[in-house]
Amino acid sequence: GAGVSQSPRYKVAKRGQDVALRCDPISGHVSLFWYQQALGQGPEFLTYFQNEAQLDKSGLPSDRFFAERPEGSVSTLKIQRTQQEDSAVYLCASSPQATTSRSYEQYFGPGTRLTVT
Amino acid sequence: TQLLEQSPQFLSIQEGENLTVYCNSSSVFSSLQWYRQEPGEGPVLLVTVVTGGEVKKLKRLTFQFGDARKDSSLHITAAQPGDTGLYLCAGGEGDMRFGAGTRLTVKP
Repeated sequence: GAGVSQSPRYKVAKRGQDVALRCDPISGHVSLFWYQQALGQGPEFLTYFQNEAQLDKSGLPSDRFFAERPEGSVSTLKIQRTQQEDSAVYLCASSPQATTSRSYEQYFGPGTRLTVT
Repeated sequence: TQLLEQSPQFLSIQEGENLTVYCNSSSVFSSLQWYRQEPGEGPVLLVTVVTGGEVKKLKRLTFQFGDARKDSSLHITAAQPGDTGLYLCAGGEGDMRFGAGTRLTVKP
C-alpha cells in the first residue's frame, strides 16, 4: 500500500528564498508530524496536527517556519527567507492514532533534503 | 535539546557478534519507541514498549524498558550486515523526542 510521500525529495534554495515542502500522509491517518533532522543527529520535533488542528508548534525554530493541514490530509511546511542553518532533512510522519494513545505508531516519509546556499 | 541520551554513538562490529545499545533519560516516559533508519530513508518503527520492566523480542532483537520507565536497551544477537543502520529511541506524547541515535555497522 501507499506510504507517506514527500515532495520534493531534494530542494536547493538560495538564502532568502521561500520554500514549501509537501507531505502526503497515509490515507485516513489522524495525526501528522513534522521533524527536522540535521546531519548526524536524530529527528527534532517541529509541530504536529490532529486532523486539521495544529495542536503543538512549540518546536518550530522561528516565525519563519509555518505549517498547515487545511483539510486534515495533505500538509505543507513553509519556510520563509531561508537561511543556511535551515539546511537539513525535513521528515513528515503520520499516525492512525491520536497522540493521546500511549503507543501511537508513526510512519515516516523519506524526507526532503533542503540545502540553502 | 534532546532529552534522550543514546550510547554508544557509533558501533562497528563483525558479523555474528552480539551488541547492546542504550537509551537513557532523566524523564519518565509513558512509552518508548525504537526505530531503525537507513541512509536516504525515514525511520522505521521497530517496537513500542509501554510497561516498566517490559521485554519484547523481535527475531534477534530484544528490547527492554526500565522499571522506572526512564531508560531502555536494545540487544541484538548474532548481528548481520543487514542490521547496519541508525538506531533511534523516541518518547513523548505528541511532541515526540528522539535521541541522537547509535550508528551501527556490521561488517561481513
